[in-house]
Amino acid sequence: EVQVVESGGGLVQPGGSLRLSCAASGFTFSSYAMHWVRQGPGKGLEYVSAISNDGGTTYYANSVKGRFIISRDNSKNMVYLQMGSLRVEDMAVYYCARVGWDSGNHYDYWGQGTQVTVSS
Amino acid sequence: DIQLTQSPSFLSASVGDRVTVTCRASQGIRSYLGWYQQKPGKAPKLLIFAASTLQSGVPSRFSGSGSGTEFTLTISSLQPEDLATYYCQQVNSYPITFGQGTRLEIK
Repeated sequence: EVQVVESGGGLVQPGGSLRLSCAASGFTFSSYAMHWVRQGPGKGLEYVSAISNDGGTTYYANSVKGRFIISRDNSKNMVYLQMGSLRVEDMAVYYCARVGWDSGNHYDYWGQGTQVTVSS
Repeated sequence: DIQLTQSPSFLSASVGDRVTVTCRASQGIRSYLGWYQQKPGKAPKLLIFAASTLQSGVPSRFSGSGSGTEFTLTISSLQPEDLATYYCQQVNSYPITFGQGTRLEIK
């Protein structure tokens, strides 16, 4: 069974840092790209960052470029999102999602999300 | 960036109704469009990919159509469990973008 589980969320002050983790299981992790998507309180879905299956290619939304870093460890089936210089507008539920190459490169599996609160 | 505009933003319909949601792209995205359903407090679920292909396990009352800049999601006969917010997403080019969402209420 495919599972994606996020962790690492919490309360952080503006300007602070946080590292989110995403543990994947039930599939050949090194064959799939993985993305992070967030949803602010009462808001819609926002793409945050993407990483290719081998970690060699990464992409970022303009809103987080230069502040967030995505990485992965295929030996541990893990994806990470290092978030720095956090702002109030980064407060959201952060989802990790698998990109399904047999689902038109859309997100076929999602985690349950981890809450990030940015407040002083 | 490619902007996706959904209409309507809010929809109220009765059980058994045929419901249609539209997603318009600011530039052509071929058929690189998907639809997601998000129920309150839950992660989104993929319904449709490549504009019109039903994801495995999704009920056949859901269908998608369109290409280029205009796309539709149709629910042929609305069921109570379809209460949710629906989002379109383009994967034609980075940055990936989502529509603003359509909240569906059951009358």
